[in-house]
Amino acid sequence: DAKTTQPPSMDCAEGRAANLPCNHSTISGNEYVYWYRQIHSQGPQYIIHGLKNNETNEMASLIITEDRKSSTLILPHATLRDTAVYYCIVRVAYSGAGSYQLTFGKGTKLSVIP
Amino acid sequence: GAGVSQSPSNKVTEKGKDVELRCDPISGHTALYWYRQSLGQGLEFLIYFQGNSAPDKSGLPSDRFSAERTGGSVSTLTIQRTQQEDSAVYLCASSLVVQGNQPQHFGDGTRLSIL
Repeated sequence: DAKTTQPPSMDCAEGRAANLPCNHSTISGNEYVYWYRQIHSQGPQYIIHGLKNNETNEMASLIITEDRKSSTLILPHATLRDTAVYYCIVRVAYSGAGSYQLTFGKGTKLSVIP
Repeated sequence: GAGVSQSPSNKVTEKGKDVELRCDPISGHTALYWYRQSLGQGLEFLIYFQGNSAPDKSGLPSDRFSAERTGGSVSTLTIQRTQQEDSAVYLCASSLVVQGNQPQHFGDGTRLSIL
């Protein structure tokens, strides 16, 4: 799986949009971008994923650059409950034994400030 | 709908005892995964089940660890003769299928502490 680079920490004011960047300059054509988050003492929570096109769901939007070398997760109106560590993962769709194993990097610790 | 459910949420036991951790995946999900996460560490893959296929046990750290999945649904992870280094959060995840780009959905884990 391609390596990702994320800032170690970010702050966001409550009610404002949180824009979390991820660099994946070595991404391959068949690799998806996934975002998870982990709130203290909870399991990782799936947020969103995409291949080429921008994606939106009830939690967030995912913006992938045209060259696919970077992406941004957008939480449109951050709340205190969005304080968590956010992980950007790049991985292929299932391609045999072992390819389903998730690996998290250090992620970005997002602090939403009242 | 209901997410992945794990029990117990916390388990404290003495070194040398056996423990059983339970995972109830999302209804209809055929793929089930066990990971563990030590303090400040990333995810460590343990074992994977897909339907009636033989499980991938390649991540189990020793023969003290075993897991089964009965009826294609609930899974139990068993650790025999526990050691202090087994202390960690044990996470279960499930996905609709393993093929394609289906995301894995996690439970909140069992926090295991070995005294």
